[in-house]
Amino acid sequence: DAKTTQPPSMDCAEGRAANLPCNHSTISGNEYVYWYRQIHSQGPQYIIHGLKNNETNEMASLIITEDRKSSTLILPHATLRDTAVYYCIVRVNGDYKLSFGAGTTVTVRA
Amino acid sequence: ETGVTQTPRHLVMGMTNKKSLKCEQHLGHNAMYWYKQSAKKPLELMFVYSLEERVENNSVPSRFSPECPNSSHLFLHLHTLQPEDSALYLCASSQDTRSPLHFGNGTRLTVT
Repeated sequence: DAKTTQPPSMDCAEGRAANLPCNHSTISGNEYVYWYRQIHSQGPQYIIHGLKNNETNEMASLIITEDRKSSTLILPHATLRDTAVYYCIVRVNGDYKLSFGAGTTVTVRA
Repeated sequence: ETGVTQTPRHLVMGMTNKKSLKCEQHLGHNAMYWYKQSAKKPLELMFVYSLEERVENNSVPSRFSPECPNSSHLFLHLHTLQPEDSALYLCASSQDTRSPLHFGNGTRLTVT
Protein backbone atom coordinates (compact mmCIF):
# COMPACT_ATOMS: atom_id res chain seq x y z
CA ASP A 1 0.00 0.00 0.00
CA ALA A 2 1.12 3.56 -0.67
CA LYS A 3 2.09 5.47 2.43
CA THR A 4 0.33 8.65 3.48
CA THR A 5 1.63 11.73 5.24
CA GLN A 6 -0.57 13.81 7.51
CA PRO A 7 0.21 16.64 9.92
CA PRO A 8 0.33 15.30 13.49
CA SER A 9 -2.15 17.83 14.82
CA MET A 10 -4.32 20.80 13.98
CA ASP A 11 -6.80 23.10 15.69
CA CYS A 12 -10.09 24.28 14.24
CA ALA A 13 -12.64 26.85 15.35
CA GLU A 14 -16.13 25.62 16.06
CA GLY A 15 -18.52 26.47 13.23
CA ARG A 16 -15.75 26.92 10.70
CA ALA A 17 -14.74 24.54 7.93
CA ALA A 18 -11.90 22.18 8.82
CA ASN A 19 -9.55 21.26 5.97
CA LEU A 20 -7.44 18.19 6.66
CA PRO A 21 -4.58 17.56 4.20
CA CYS A 22 -3.06 14.23 3.21
CA ASN A 23 -0.16 13.47 0.89
CA HIS A 24 0.00 10.14 -0.93
CA SER A 25 2.54 10.82 -3.66
CA THR A 26 3.20 7.13 -4.43
CA ILE A 27 -0.45 6.17 -4.88
CA SER A 28 -1.18 3.67 -7.64
CA GLY A 29 -3.99 3.81 -10.16
CA ASN A 30 -5.96 1.07 -8.41
CA GLU A 31 -5.73 2.53 -4.90
CA TYR A 32 -8.60 4.34 -3.23
CA VAL A 33 -8.24 7.11 -0.65
CA TYR A 34 -10.17 6.39 2.56
CA TRP A 35 -10.78 8.60 5.58
CA TYR A 36 -11.66 7.35 9.05
CA ARG A 37 -11.76 9.08 12.40
CA GLN A 38 -11.44 7.82 15.94
CA ILE A 39 -13.04 9.67 18.79
CA HIS A 40 -11.53 9.01 22.20
CA SER A 41 -12.51 5.62 23.67
CA GLN A 42 -14.35 4.56 20.53
CA GLY A 43 -13.55 2.48 17.48
CA PRO A 44 -12.64 4.11 14.16
CA GLN A 45 -15.55 5.49 12.17
CA TYR A 46 -15.69 5.43 8.38
CA ILE A 47 -16.12 8.90 6.87
CA ILE A 48 -15.69 8.78 3.09
CA HIS A 49 -13.61 7.32 0.28
CA GLY A 50 -12.83 8.08 -3.36
CA LEU A 51 -10.71 7.11 -6.34
CA LYS A 52 -10.22 10.25 -8.41
CA ASN A 53 -13.45 12.25 -8.39
CA ASN A 54 -14.42 14.52 -5.54
CA GLU A 55 -16.92 12.94 -3.19
CA THR A 56 -19.43 14.34 -0.70
CA ASN A 57 -21.67 12.74 1.86
CA GLU A 58 -23.53 13.85 4.97
CA MET A 59 -20.35 13.93 7.02
CA ALA A 60 -17.70 15.46 4.80
CA SER A 61 -16.29 16.23 1.37
CA LEU A 62 -13.21 14.65 -0.16
CA ILE A 63 -11.20 16.63 -2.67
CA ILE A 64 -8.56 14.66 -4.62
CA THR A 65 -6.05 16.51 -6.77
CA GLU A 66 -5.95 15.74 -10.47
CA ASP A 67 -2.62 13.92 -10.17
CA ARG A 68 -4.02 12.02 -7.13
CA LYS A 69 -0.88 12.72 -5.12
CA SER A 70 -2.77 14.51 -2.36
CA SER A 71 -6.25 14.97 -0.99
CA THR A 72 -8.16 17.12 1.49
CA LEU A 73 -10.96 16.11 3.80
CA ILE A 74 -13.34 18.97 4.48
CA LEU A 75 -15.64 19.07 7.50
CA PRO A 76 -17.94 21.92 6.45
CA HIS A 77 -18.99 23.15 9.89
CA ALA A 78 -16.80 21.70 12.62
CA THR A 79 -18.39 21.02 16.01
CA LEU A 80 -16.82 20.07 19.32
CA ARG A 81 -17.91 16.47 18.64
CA ASP A 82 -15.61 16.39 15.61
CA THR A 83 -12.58 16.40 17.91
CA ALA A 84 -10.85 13.12 17.01
CA VAL A 85 -7.87 11.50 15.32
CA TYR A 86 -8.40 11.50 11.54
CA TYR A 87 -6.76 8.82 9.42
CA CYS A 88 -6.06 9.08 5.71
CA ILE A 89 -5.48 5.63 4.20
CA VAL A 90 -4.87 4.34 0.70
CA ARG A 91 -6.24 0.93 -0.07
CA VAL A 92 -5.83 -1.27 -3.12
CA ASN A 93 -9.15 -1.92 -4.83
CA GLY A 94 -10.31 -5.39 -3.87
CA ASP A 95 -7.83 -5.77 -1.02
CA TYR A 96 -9.13 -6.24 2.49
CA LYS A 97 -6.08 -4.64 4.07
CA LEU A 98 -6.59 -1.24 5.63
CA SER A 99 -3.32 0.07 7.09
CA PHE A 100 -3.66 2.84 9.65
CA GLY A 101 -0.91 5.38 10.30
CA ALA A 102 -0.61 7.90 13.11
CA GLY A 103 -3.29 10.23 11.71
CA THR A 104 -3.98 13.88 12.51
CA THR A 105 -5.27 14.81 15.95
CA VAL A 106 -7.92 17.46 15.30
CA THR A 107 -9.08 19.61 18.18
CA VAL A 108 -12.15 21.77 17.63
CA ARG A 109 -12.20 24.76 19.98
CA ALA A 110 -15.20 26.84 20.99
CA GLU B 1 -25.04 2.01 18.30
CA THR B 2 -22.40 1.16 15.74
CA GLY B 3 -23.93 -2.08 14.44
CA VAL B 4 -20.87 -3.93 15.72
CA THR B 5 -21.04 -4.89 19.39
CA GLN B 6 -18.06 -6.03 21.41
CA THR B 7 -18.10 -7.60 24.86
CA PRO B 8 -16.77 -7.12 27.38
CA ARG B 9 -15.80 -3.43 27.13
CA HIS B 10 -13.08 -3.90 29.73
CA LEU B 11 -11.19 -7.01 30.80
CA VAL B 12 -8.44 -7.56 33.33
CA MET B 13 -6.77 -10.95 33.29
CA GLY B 14 -3.75 -12.65 34.74
CA MET B 15 -1.10 -14.26 32.59
CA THR B 16 -2.35 -17.76 33.36
CA ASN B 17 -6.01 -17.06 32.65
CA LYS B 18 -8.06 -18.06 29.63
CA LYS B 19 -10.66 -15.60 28.39
CA SER B 20 -12.56 -14.82 25.21
CA LEU B 21 -13.53 -11.60 23.49
CA LYS B 22 -16.80 -11.57 21.61
CA CYS B 23 -17.91 -9.56 18.61
CA GLU B 24 -21.33 -9.53 16.98
CA GLN B 25 -22.35 -7.59 13.91
CA HIS B 26 -25.94 -6.74 13.03
CA LEU B 27 -25.24 -5.39 9.55
CA GLY B 28 -25.51 -8.51 7.43
CA HIS B 29 -21.84 -8.29 6.49
CA ASN B 30 -19.76 -11.19 5.22
CA ALA B 31 -16.28 -10.21 6.39
CA MET B 32 -15.02 -9.70 9.94
CA TYR B 33 -11.71 -8.48 11.34
CA TRP B 34 -9.68 -8.28 14.55
CA TYR B 35 -7.37 -5.29 15.05
CA LYS B 36 -5.07 -4.49 17.96
CA GLN B 37 -4.40 -0.90 19.09
CA SER B 38 -1.55 -0.50 21.56
CA ALA B 39 -0.73 2.79 23.24
CA LYS B 40 1.13 5.18 20.96
CA LYS B 41 1.01 2.72 18.04
CA PRO B 42 -1.11 2.52 14.88
CA LEU B 43 -3.84 -0.07 14.58
CA GLU B 44 -2.49 -3.48 13.61
CA LEU B 45 -4.49 -5.99 11.60
CA MET B 46 -4.55 -9.39 13.31
CA PHE B 47 -7.07 -11.62 11.55
CA VAL B 48 -9.54 -11.45 8.68
CA TYR B 49 -12.47 -13.77 8.00
CA SER B 50 -14.44 -13.77 4.78
CA LEU B 51 -17.57 -15.95 4.63
CA GLU B 52 -16.37 -17.64 7.83
CA GLU B 53 -13.01 -18.63 6.36
CA ARG B 54 -9.82 -17.11 7.66
CA VAL B 55 -8.05 -15.22 4.89
CA GLU B 56 -5.40 -13.43 6.94
CA ASN B 57 -3.34 -14.40 9.94
CA ASN B 58 -0.93 -11.53 10.30
CA SER B 59 1.94 -13.26 12.16
CA VAL B 60 -0.04 -13.23 15.36
CA PRO B 61 1.28 -15.35 18.28
CA SER B 62 -0.61 -18.57 18.91
CA ARG B 63 -1.75 -17.36 22.33
CA PHE B 64 -4.40 -15.48 20.30
CA SER B 65 -6.88 -17.86 18.68
CA PRO B 66 -9.75 -16.54 16.54
CA GLU B 67 -13.01 -18.30 15.87
CA CYS B 68 -15.75 -17.37 13.42
CA PRO B 69 -18.71 -19.75 13.84
CA ASN B 70 -20.94 -17.77 11.46
CA SER B 71 -20.88 -14.51 9.56
CA SER B 72 -22.38 -12.56 12.47
CA HIS B 73 -20.07 -13.66 15.27
CA LEU B 74 -16.35 -13.50 15.85
CA PHE B 75 -14.38 -14.53 18.92
CA LEU B 76 -10.83 -14.03 20.05
CA HIS B 77 -9.72 -16.67 22.53
CA LEU B 78 -6.88 -15.61 24.80
CA HIS B 79 -4.55 -17.79 26.87
CA THR B 80 -1.24 -17.29 28.67
CA LEU B 81 -0.99 -13.66 27.59
CA GLN B 82 1.87 -11.33 28.39
CA PRO B 83 1.64 -7.82 29.90
CA GLU B 84 2.66 -6.36 26.51
CA ASP B 85 -0.56 -7.78 25.08
CA SER B 86 -2.47 -5.13 27.01
CA ALA B 87 -4.23 -3.04 24.37
CA LEU B 88 -7.54 -2.09 22.84
CA TYR B 89 -8.85 -4.95 20.69
CA LEU B 90 -11.15 -3.82 17.94
CA CYS B 91 -13.53 -5.87 15.86
CA ALA B 92 -14.79 -4.69 12.48
CA SER B 93 -17.03 -5.96 9.72
CA SER B 94 -17.62 -5.13 6.07
CA GLN B 95 -20.04 -6.20 3.39
CA ASP B 96 -17.16 -7.87 1.60
CA THR B 97 -13.41 -7.45 1.65
CA ARG B 98 -13.62 -4.46 -0.72
CA SER B 99 -16.13 -2.38 1.27
CA PRO B 100 -15.57 0.14 4.07
CA LEU B 101 -15.06 -1.34 7.52
CA HIS B 102 -17.42 -0.68 10.41
CA PHE B 103 -15.75 -0.92 13.80
CA GLY B 104 -17.01 -1.74 17.26
CA ASN B 105 -15.88 0.27 20.28
CA GLY B 106 -13.38 -2.34 21.34
CA THR B 107 -12.41 -4.30 24.42
CA ARG B 108 -9.81 -2.66 26.65
CA LEU B 109 -7.63 -5.55 27.81
CA THR B 110 -5.20 -5.33 30.70
CA VAL B 111 -2.90 -8.27 31.40
CA THR B 112 -1.45 -8.32 34.90
